[in-house]
Formats: sequence, structure tokens, C-alpha cells
Amino acid sequence: AQSVTQLDSQVPVFEEAPVELRCNYSSSVSVYLFWYVQYPNQGLQLLLKYLSGSTLVESINGFEAEFNKSQTSFHLRKPSVHISDTAEYFCAVTPDNYGQNFVFGPGTRLSVLP
Amino acid sequence: DVKVTQSSRYLVKRTGEKVFLECVQDMDHENMFWYRQDPGLGLRLIYFSYDVKMKEKGDIPEGYSVSREKKERFSLILESASTNQTSMYLCASRDRAYEQYFGPGTRLTVT
Repeated sequence: AQSVTQLDSQVPVFEEAPVELRCNYSSSVSVYLFWYVQYPNQGLQLLLKYLSGSTLVESINGFEAEFNKSQTSFHLRKPSVHISDTAEYFCAVTPDNYGQNFVFGPGTRLSVLP
Repeated sequence: DVKVTQSSRYLVKRTGEKVFLECVQDMDHENMFWYRQDPGLGLRLIYFSYDVKMKEKGDIPEGYSVSREKKERFSLILESASTNQTSMYLCASRDRAYEQYFGPGTRLTVT
């Protein structure tokens, strides 16, 4: 079985400051990793994912995440946030065999302040 | 554009009623999922389906059942609704690159 921990339930940060949202997972098998974002009053959408290859993955809006197998982490970072990044961010994992049983973390609410 | 639609955005039901939540996707995806989303708990998987008439229990299947008679449609059934099933219900379908596409959600209130 897999589990996902997001230690920070809320992260307030000022506009243009850097941010890191932490994600750690536990699994006895290899996994694929994902970050999903939920903007206010909207559905969830994929932000980025790690399946294989380079451990550093990037999104189109400036976020990046690095898969660290030894620390079982997949932290999300952005060097300079905008007001529009205010949202809830969910880390998720799935075993790399069938990709069916997805396990999500509890979410981190990022609030970007002017 | 992938579209996942859910039959209702808001639903209010009484305790003991049978509740049907419908989900339709238009991208011919084999895998479909039902989650519930609760504050502080994130998304929890109720059931998933990897083909027509095939289903697997997720982490919290108790009190729920599902039906997948056609590839594009995945229904969640609450046989006898209870107040602890008040929640946001999210349907998703998954493509071959493991990306899930979510519907807008159904906020169910059981009174």
C-alpha cells in the first residue's frame, strides 16, 4: 500500500517570493508521482508528473518538482509566485505497474499575498 | 479537449435514500475513478474501473457501489445514504500517460 504526506496544510507567501510545497510518500513498490492543482471553485488539473527519466520535471507555468528516491520525496517549487498561483495543491502516487490505485495527499493550500 | 461531465453540481438527499451519481467521459479512456474529497483528507479513492463491467474497490468502498455498463459512463451508487456521506464527489478518467482528467464534482448533502 502507498501513503502520501503533505506536512504543510497551509502556506502563505508574498507575491514574487519563492515557495516550496513538500511531499513525501511511502511505498514498497516503485511509483509514479504527480502534482495536481485545484484553483478556487474549479476542478483538479494535472500540474506535472514524474514517470521515468530526468528526476527534475517542470510545468508550463514555472513550477518544478524533483523526485528524490532515497528521501522518498517529490517537493514542488517555484522561484517567484504570482497571485494567480493561489490554489490547493495535491501530491499523488500510483504504483508503476497498472497506474490504477492512485493515492492522494491531504493537500496544501497556497495563499499568495500582495 | 478531454471532457468529463458529472450529472449534478449540487445534490441534497435524505438519509436512507438511494443516490445515483453519473459520470461521462468523451475520450474513450479505459480507466475511470470515483473519489470523495473532504477538507484535510484530500481525495480518497472509492472505486475504479479498468474496463466495461470491471471494477475494483479503492480505499473506502463501504456504503458505495458502482456500475460501468458502457465505456464512457461510470456511475456511483449510494445504496442508503447516510449523513457521513456528505461530501464532494469527483469522477476522473485516465489516459495512457497516467494523467487523470477530473469532472467538476458533485457536492452531495445528506440530511
